[in-house]
Amino acid sequence: EAQVTQNPRYLITVTGKKLTVTCSQNMNHEYMSWYRQDPGLGLRQIYYSMNVEVTDKGDVPEGYKVSRKEKRNFPLILESPSPNQTSLYFCASSFRVRGLNTGELFFGEGSRLTVL
Amino acid sequence: TQLLEQSPQFLSIQEGENLTVYCNSSSVFSSLQWYRQEPGEGPVLLVTVVTGGEVKKLKRLTFQFGDARKDSSLHITAAQPGDTGLYLCAGARAAGNKLTFGGGTRVLVKP
Repeated sequence: EAQVTQNPRYLITVTGKKLTVTCSQNMNHEYMSWYRQDPGLGLRQIYYSMNVEVTDKGDVPEGYKVSRKEKRNFPLILESPSPNQTSLYFCASSFRVRGLNTGELFFGEGSRLTVL
Repeated sequence: TQLLEQSPQFLSIQEGENLTVYCNSSSVFSSLQWYRQEPGEGPVLLVTVVTGGEVKKLKRLTFQFGDARKDSSLHITAAQPGDTGLYLCAGARAAGNKLTFGGGTRVLVKP
């Protein structure tokens, strides 16, 4: 089954304790991205990756890191989490589409993070 | 201020009624997508529109892309409880592989 898998789905942590949210896709997609979703703000992009070893900042990258060592995995790292990073996080992937269109994004089920 | 503004933010209607959700921007987009998200799940793509003035139908859902490619609308005819969810529009700029999302419209269809 084609899917994007995130772990953990739920996490409560404390300020300053490093954590990693993993993301894996089995569709051989080149493009992967992380979003955070907050009430009334929709989905805001944190980081994205066009392919292996190619990552770039989205709209709200502060406090986050990513890596893309393999095509299927795109972990999100919070080196020193703070309460304002409490949010619902989504990983997504798609095929790269040249030209003007953007391919369909396939989303994971989300990871709800609470930082105390 | 968001690049893509959706209105209304929340809509509650009775089963069988029609509804329209709007997605507006001052920027031009090369394409625009609509997603629906249900509780506990990630968004799922409904449609992509790419041509100004384009109209696409998906059963009882009608999507329109504005002539100037700055706005879009989603119209649901005879809404059903299964249409309940968060509707998100997302725009792609020319030569970009980045989607910018609107704030979402939460739709509740009561039986």
